[in-house]
Amino acid sequence: QKEVEQDPGPLSVPEGAIVSLNCTYSNSAFQYFMWYRQYSRKGPELLMYTYSSGNKEDGRFTAQVDKSSKYISLFIRDSQPSDSATYLCAMSALSGAGSYQLTFGKGTKLSVIP
Amino acid sequence: NAGVTQTPKFQVLKTGQSMTLQCAQDMNHNSMYWYRQDPGMGLRLIYYSASEGTTDKGEVPNGYNVSRLNKREFSLRLESAAPSQTSVYFCASSEARHRTDTQYFGPGTRLTVL
Repeated sequence: QKEVEQDPGPLSVPEGAIVSLNCTYSNSAFQYFMWYRQYSRKGPELLMYTYSSGNKEDGRFTAQVDKSSKYISLFIRDSQPSDSATYLCAMSALSGAGSYQLTFGKGTKLSVIP
Repeated sequence: NAGVTQTPKFQVLKTGQSMTLQCAQDMNHNSMYWYRQDPGMGLRLIYYSASEGTTDKGEVPNGYNVSRLNKREFSLRLESAAPSQTSVYFCASSEARHRTDTQYFGPGTRLTVL
């Protein structure tokens, strides 16, 4: 079992829909949870982060973490065509070298259709 | 402030050829990373450098070497390229002192090995 599991999709939704993206993980050492957004032929960029169970909102985006279930989600409200991208979950844990390392999910490709 | 830059953007090699991918960051970050991204596999860590003067293997180091030339620059070398190394390579950097530190990614190098 991979440490981080993410459904690769693709996911196609109409403009204005609510999108739910999810990841599960198995490593209890993960302390910090992130969502990156990657547009086609670009590098990933950080969208949101959280480190505690519960919800965190940023505009149309809500990140949710349930540590007891080892499950994280990203919700996008009122989705726009500009949200079309691949969304990668990432989780960090302290490495043996004393720095924080990220483990990424495979990414979910989202298309928002006008 | 260019962030993380990578050269070249594209490269085609023949099996057995060697090449070096260059990465530089201007954010005074301590840690730097090399990832490869393949369809259906997500981002996988090849090597990382927690601080200037140190390098460590990641998840998929075979066939690669790295050099942390100074605090700004971290290069990835393929000594004898193989078709299995066809991928998109991303360099990233972060402070990595705290669990909340973000990794910033470069634009990527698309490598094809024939």
